[in-house]
Amino acid sequence: GAVVSQHPSRVICKSGTSVKIECRSLDFQATTMFWYRQFPKQSLMLMATSNEGSKATYEQGVEKDKFLINHASLTLSTLTVTSAHPEDSSFYICSAGQGGVASYEQYFGPGTRLTVT
Amino acid sequence: DQQVKQNSPSLSVQEGRISILNCDYTNSMFDYFLWYKKYPAEGPTFLISISSIKDKNEDGRFTVFLNKSAKHLSLHIVPSQPGDSAVYFCAANTGTASKLTFGTGTRLQVTL
Repeated sequence: GAVVSQHPSRVICKSGTSVKIECRSLDFQATTMFWYRQFPKQSLMLMATSNEGSKATYEQGVEKDKFLINHASLTLSTLTVTSAHPEDSSFYICSAGQGGVASYEQYFGPGTRLTVT
Repeated sequence: DQQVKQNSPSLSVQEGRISILNCDYTNSMFDYFLWYKKYPAEGPTFLISISSIKDKNEDGRFTVFLNKSAKHLSLHIVPSQPGDSAVYFCAANTGTASKLTFGTGTRLQVTL
């Protein structure tokens, strides 16, 4: 299957600072990537849809000024958590679709554990 | 409004037996369904999918069944192996490159 990477896998930051998480599709081009958040023992919650070359589409209740998304190329999307607070501590996961015939399927990165102290 | 539901939060099955994980949905616009397997602190791993125009798709030990009239799908794993122990999510979407709607997950424990 297609490979999606995320960096960093773990990050600890102080309250008030910003953190950038990268999502890369390694062996395919992804015009659309998705950012999810997972709280302990809960399902994945879609935060936003990242579109290459255009603005991201945010889900209801997700602050676009707090969670900045940039999809600068067909293989890279970034999520920046600005002015992080302890309640932003969570597991963030990205996914990407291959496009074409298999475009219904999405492949997920390994996730990034963010801890805000 | 939970459009995709997995009503069993957990399931325990003996090694070698069949595991059946169930999923129900309410949105009739969903036309593609997927199953993912997830370990703690890792991203979901794609397992198998099915288009709404089919009622069965098989891949090795994994088979997904879709009953559109009942808005129900199930994942069968046979024979179950200890390495199958994980949380399984069903998901659905409405078109190519569209967002996935996930169920709440079922934790499968395969015992020796």
